[in-house]
Amino acid sequence: DAGVIQSPRHEVTEMGQEVTLRCKPISGHNSLFWYRQTMMRGLELLIYFNNNVPIDDSGMPEDRFSAKMPNASFSTLKIQPSEPRDSAVYFCASSTDRGQPQHFGDGTRLSIL
Amino acid sequence: DAKTTQPPSMDCAEGRAANLPCNHSTISGNEYVYWYRQIHSQGPQYIIHGLKNNETNEMASLIITEDRKSSTLILPHATLRDTAVYYCIVRERSGAGSYQLTFGKGTKLSVIP
Repeated sequence: DAGVIQSPRHEVTEMGQEVTLRCKPISGHNSLFWYRQTMMRGLELLIYFNNNVPIDDSGMPEDRFSAKMPNASFSTLKIQPSEPRDSAVYFCASSTDRGQPQHFGDGTRLSIL
Repeated sequence: DAKTTQPPSMDCAEGRAANLPCNHSTISGNEYVYWYRQIHSQGPQYIIHGLKNNETNEMASLIITEDRKSSTLILPHATLRDTAVYYCIVRERSGAGSYQLTFGKGTKLSVIP
């Protein structure tokens, strides 16, 4: 079975540019999560969707960050404009329901120069 | 804030059992104990979870004390591929907090040849 698929695996871009990260959850999972991992702060939940609807975005650091889930098989996390402090590994995870184990993708390593 | 306390690092000889402890003295009756691990450059991987009974699956065993204030993850025959950071997480089984996975610093397990 295919797991959570994230793209790109690596992204290097200059500050001020728009960055779009993509995630395909496991088929049949109706909950989707975006996390960010840095050395300083560890793994942090950014936003969570249930049945394609954003439920809690309190972890989104600021208005430069936005996330969408147009359908059950696709989600995006967008940063516009990007800043060097956004450099991190961004993970997407999905689960069958919010109380069930979450399954993570391999992440996107983002570097903002 | 993570609700768990884990040793920062542990070593284990290859082929031996790895016993990873976790303290969660403030756990409530509504909360499960989850274990995840993160191998270098990969996303977190779900291992096992439990409420109060001991649990076993193909990856590991989870032993929860009777008062539920601590638990131990057991990898029965550790291999070099088990070298990873292991996270013990307490999460609500229902309600608003049932989606939240709060990752602490975990235990870095090094399996030694």
